Amino acid sequence: QSVLTQSPSMSGTPGQRVTISCSGSISNIASNTVNWYQQLPGKAPKLLIFNDDQRPSGVPDRFSGSKSGTSASLAVSGLQSEDEADYYCAAWDDSLTAPVFGGGTKLTVL
Amino acid sequence: QVQLQQWGAGLLKPSETLSLTCAVYGGPFSGYYWTWIRQPPGKGLEWIGDIYYSGTTNYNASLQGRVTVSVDTSKNQFSLKLTSVTAADTAVYYCARGVRYCSNGRCRNWFDPWGQGTLVTVSS
Repeated sequence: QSVLTQSPSMSGTPGQRVTISCSGSISNIASNTVNWYQQLPGKAPKLLIFNDDQRPSGVPDRFSGSKSGTSASLAVSGLQSEDEADYYCAAWDDSLTAPVFGGGTKLTVL
Repeated sequence: QVQLQQWGAGLLKPSETLSLTCAVYGGPFSGYYWTWIRQPPGKGLEWIGDIYYSGTTNYNASLQGRVTVSVDTSKNQFSLKLTSVTAADTAVYYCARGVRYCSNGRCRNWFDPWGQGTLVTVSS
C-alpha cells in the first residue's frame, strides 16, 4: 500500500491531453514539493518534473506538473506513442521523515 | 553528464546478505544524498535509504536493523548491504543521486539520475 495514491492505469489516443493524478496528505504533498518520474518499459525511472512544476533540461514542454492542496497532477499534452510508460509521483513525508512514492500509473497510448 | 553504474550479486539464498555498489562518474560527489531504491517485480518504488556525502545515513523504518549504506569518497562509490534476505526482498535495486533541502518549512527531495538497476532474486 503506497503512501501516495495514483490510478493504476490510464489511456489516451495520439495527440490527446491526459492528466495523471496523485493524492496524498498534509504531511507530504500539502507541505512539500512533488516530483514525477517516467519509467519506460524495462528501464530505470527518469526524473520528469521536480519542485511541483519544474522540468529538467531535455524534458519536452508537453509535460507539466501542478499541485493543489493534498493532490498533484501530471499533464501530458500532444500524446505520443513514446509516452507509453509508468509514471510515479513522489514527495517528502514529514511524518515518516522519508521520501514516499505513489503506486504508479500505467499510461497506454491507444 | 553524471552517470551511475551499479553492480552486485543477482541471486541469493534466504538468510544471505545482499551487497550492491554504485559508482558515480562525471560529476561531484559532495552535496548529494546517495540513495538506494527498490522495485519488486510488477510493483512500485520503495525508498531503502541514503547516505549524505559526509557519511550521515537515513533508512526506511521498515528495513531498519537490516540495512546499511556506506560511502567511499575516495572512489566516488557508495554501497548497500541488506542482511537476512527473504523472498520478499526480491526486486530490482536502483542507486540514484538525491537532492534534498528544506527551507521555510518545505522540503524538496528528488532523484536524478538513476543507475541502470540490478535484479536481485532471493530463492532457495
